[in-house]
Amino acid sequence: AQSVAQPEDQVNVAEGNPLTVKCTYSVSGNPYLFWYVQYPNRGLQFLLKYITGDNLVKGSYGFEAEFNKSQTSFHLKKPSALVSDSALYFCAVRAAFSGGYNKLIFGAGTRLAVHP
Amino acid sequence: DADVTQTPRNRITKTGKRIMLECSQTKGHDRMYWYRQDPGLGLRLIYYSFDVKDINKGEISDGYSVSRQAQAKFSLSLESAIPNQTALYFCATSDQGRVTQYFGPGTRLLVL
Repeated sequence: AQSVAQPEDQVNVAEGNPLTVKCTYSVSGNPYLFWYVQYPNRGLQFLLKYITGDNLVKGSYGFEAEFNKSQTSFHLKKPSALVSDSALYFCAVRAAFSGGYNKLIFGAGTRLAVHP
Repeated sequence: DADVTQTPRNRITKTGKRIMLECSQTKGHDRMYWYRQDPGLGLRLIYYSFDVKDINKGEISDGYSVSRQAQAKFSLSLESAIPNQTALYFCATSDQGRVTQYFGPGTRLLVL
C-alpha cells in the first residue's frame, strides 16, 4: 500500500539546537517527496522536494531534507532551530491514483515546538 | 500563498444546509484541487480538476460536488452538510507538468 508515516506527533527542541522531523514512505516506483509547513491560521507552504539527483535537498528558511532510498526515509532537518520554526510539518509523496493522475499522499503531520 | 485565495475563511452552518466554498487563483495554473484536513489524518483529496472540462473524484468525494467555473476558479459544495464534514478545507493549484502544489489559506468549516 502507498503511504507516508510521520512517527512523531510532536517534536520538542531548544532554540539553537539541531532539529529532525522524521518521515518514511511506501510507494511503487521512484518517489517524489515533499515537505510542507503549516503555520497557525495559514495554508500549507511548500518547503522543498526531492525528485532526483543529490540525496540532500535544500529548501526554504534554512531547512534541508535527506533522501535515503534503502531506509525509504526523507527526514527534514535544520542545523539551528528558531522559535519561529514552531509549526505543523507535513511530509508527502507522489503516488499513483487513477486515470493516469499521480496524487499526493500526506502524512498525519508533526508538530514542531521550539522553546526559547 | 496569496496567489491562491479561499472564501469564506471560517463558516458555521447547520446540518442539512447547502454550503459552497470558493477558491480563486492568480498563478495561471491549469490544475486545481480540494482537500480536507482532519487532526491526525493529514490531508485527503476530495476532487481535482485538470482544466475547466476535466473534473475527477478524489479519495473522499461522497457528499461533495465541485464546479470549475473558469481556469482560475474552483468551488466546492456540500449539498446537505453533516457534522462529520466539520474540517479544515484547502484548495491547491499546480501547473501542468509540475509536481509541486500550492495551497490556499484554508476554510475552517463547522457543521452543527
